[in-house]
Parts: sequence; C-alpha cells; structure tokens
Amino acid sequence: NAGVTQTPKFQVLKTGQSMTLQCAQDMNHNSMYWYRQDPGMGLRLIYYSASEGTTDKGEVPNGYNVSRLNKREFSLRLESAAPSQTSVYFCASSVGGNTEAFFGQGTRLTVV
Amino acid sequence: GEDVEQSLFLSVREGDSSVINCTYTDSSSTYLYWYKQEPGAGLQLLTYIFSNMDMKQDQRLTVLLNKKDKHLSLRIADTQTGDSAIYFCAESPLSPSASKIIFGSGTRLSIRP
Repeated sequence: NAGVTQTPKFQVLKTGQSMTLQCAQDMNHNSMYWYRQDPGMGLRLIYYSASEGTTDKGEVPNGYNVSRLNKREFSLRLESAAPSQTSVYFCASSVGGNTEAFFGQGTRLTVV
Repeated sequence: GEDVEQSLFLSVREGDSSVINCTYTDSSSTYLYWYKQEPGAGLQLLTYIFSNMDMKQDQRLTVLLNKKDKHLSLRIADTQTGDSAIYFCAESPLSPSASKIIFGSGTRLSIRP
C-alpha cells in the first residue's frame, strides 16, 4: 500500500536552477494537490488538479508550474529556483473535493 | 475569502486535556477537518465533522463546532506523550470546483511530564 509517493525526499538547488518534483498516487483518486509548508504559515496551496486533464492555481502559484500527466501522476516544476522557494513541499490526493486528503512524506527543498 | 486561523503553540501536562481552537471564515464549508503531523512526516487525517453537526466524539477526541461563530475545537482527553505533534485545522469550502482544502497554520502541541 504505497499511497502517495513523492520524490525526491531532499534536494538542494542553486538559485536559477530548475527541477521537477514528482508525485504519484495508487488510490485511483481524482484530485491531486501541491502544498508548501513554511514555519508559522501552515500549508499553502500552490496548485491543484480536480481531475485528470485539469489544473488550477491555488494561493501561491507564482514561480511554479504543474502537469497532471495522467490520473496517477502530478508533477511540480520550478523553472528558476529562488531562495524564497526554500520550503517543505507536500503532494496530496483525494477522491474528490470535500473528502479526506492523503499526503506524501514531503520533499525538503533548499535553494541557496 | 477563505481563511483558517489557529494559535501556534499549546503546552499541556501529561494526563490533562488539550483543547486546540480554530476559527474559519467560509460559512459554506461542508466539512471541517483536524489533521495531525508528526515530526518528519506528512499530514494524516485525525477526525472530521460535517457542517450540520455540533459535536463528534471518537475515543479520546471530541470535536465541537459552533457554526454561528465559525469556531471549531479539538479536545484530546488524557493527553499522552504520543500526542505531541502539530495539529492542523482545515476547511473544505463549497465552490463550483469543489476541490480544495484550506489549512490553518497549525498548532504545535507539546506535553510536559
């Protein structure tokens, strides 16, 4: 029972570098989400995908892009990393809106 | 707009009850949740309450909902060291897209011996 799997678990980037965070779920969920977690600010929604083929901006989308590759996978891309993007990133999935969200273990990203 | 607020820290003595409070703004929210995050881990759903309920009890956990004041609380009876974690309040606003969950900042619960 893998649930929601994120890779990598840790990453250090230099300012200006790009990278893609991968997320996959094996629960046949329709909705997938990317959040960032910063001290004292809780989880802030970056982007979400209500269903395969759709994506929408959340609260803090600037500097990020997403791809809902298929029903299982939802990736988050940083085109030109900035120190302000240093954070812990969580991917989550749910059957749909108003239902329990299942979270991955997180990716700790540091941009120097 | 949508906003969820909660205090950042709570310290209680082992064996006492913990009460974590939360206020939310979107009166259309159909579900309100409490998630628990242990160190180095993702969030896990602890309990939830549907908006037409006032109270829900599940073993040591009691959730109280005051819709008029948009206030949600989580009471943990007989708090144990294993309850040390960050607790997040969250709401699920009713919207056409109906597909996002808004989280509060989290309350870090620490247990004193």
